[in-house]
Amino acid sequence: AQSVTQLDSHVSVSEGTPVLLRCNYSSSYSPSLFWYVQHPNKGLQLLLKYTSAATLVKGINGFEAEFKKSETSFHLTKPSAHMSDAAEYFCVVILNTGGFKTIFGAGTRLFVKA
Amino acid sequence: SAVISQKPSRDICQRGTSLTIQCQVDSQVTMMFWYRQQPGQSLTLIATANQGSEATYESGFVIDKFPISRPNLTFSTLTVSNMSPEDSSIYLCSAGEGQGANLEQFFGPGTRLTVL
Repeated sequence: AQSVTQLDSHVSVSEGTPVLLRCNYSSSYSPSLFWYVQHPNKGLQLLLKYTSAATLVKGINGFEAEFKKSETSFHLTKPSAHMSDAAEYFCVVILNTGGFKTIFGAGTRLFVKA
Repeated sequence: SAVISQKPSRDICQRGTSLTIQCQVDSQVTMMFWYRQQPGQSLTLIATANQGSEATYESGFVIDKFPISRPNLTFSTLTVSNMSPEDSSIYLCSAGEGQGANLEQFFGPGTRLTVL
């Protein structure tokens, strides 16, 4: 089955420490991959996207993600967490299943401790 | 990037009634979508709103329950019909730029629906 899996439902880090949010996908084809962030009571905001260009993608607010085909992963990282990063993060994949289908991961809640 | 607004932002409704949610995009877009986000869960695509023709529904969603209109390239509505408490969710509208594997979606702020 073609899908996207976010490996952690919750991640807790201290302010100023690195952030790692993990995402793996399953696809027979090279997918397009996205990370979105959802702050409480707000809509989703696109952080970054991979669409078969450079494998290391830089996004907004200091986030970046690396597409690793051999590991079928697209993990989101940030060198130093800020309190304002506390939110829900969604890994999203567009799969070519005969037509294009967008699938959202289950989400990872990021907590940032002072 | 497209800017999307939704009305209402939230509502509390009685079981058996219907609610229509409006989605307005600040520019013409090819694709518009409606999603449901149940409490504490991820987003599930309800349907693709097609301009000038019937919406394309995902498995588990039907037109009688979730009728959708899209009269032009900047506006769409989703109606949640004959509501029950199980319909309590956040409903999000999105607009897509690009196509296929290059589709990039921009989301509205969502409509938080509570059904009593």
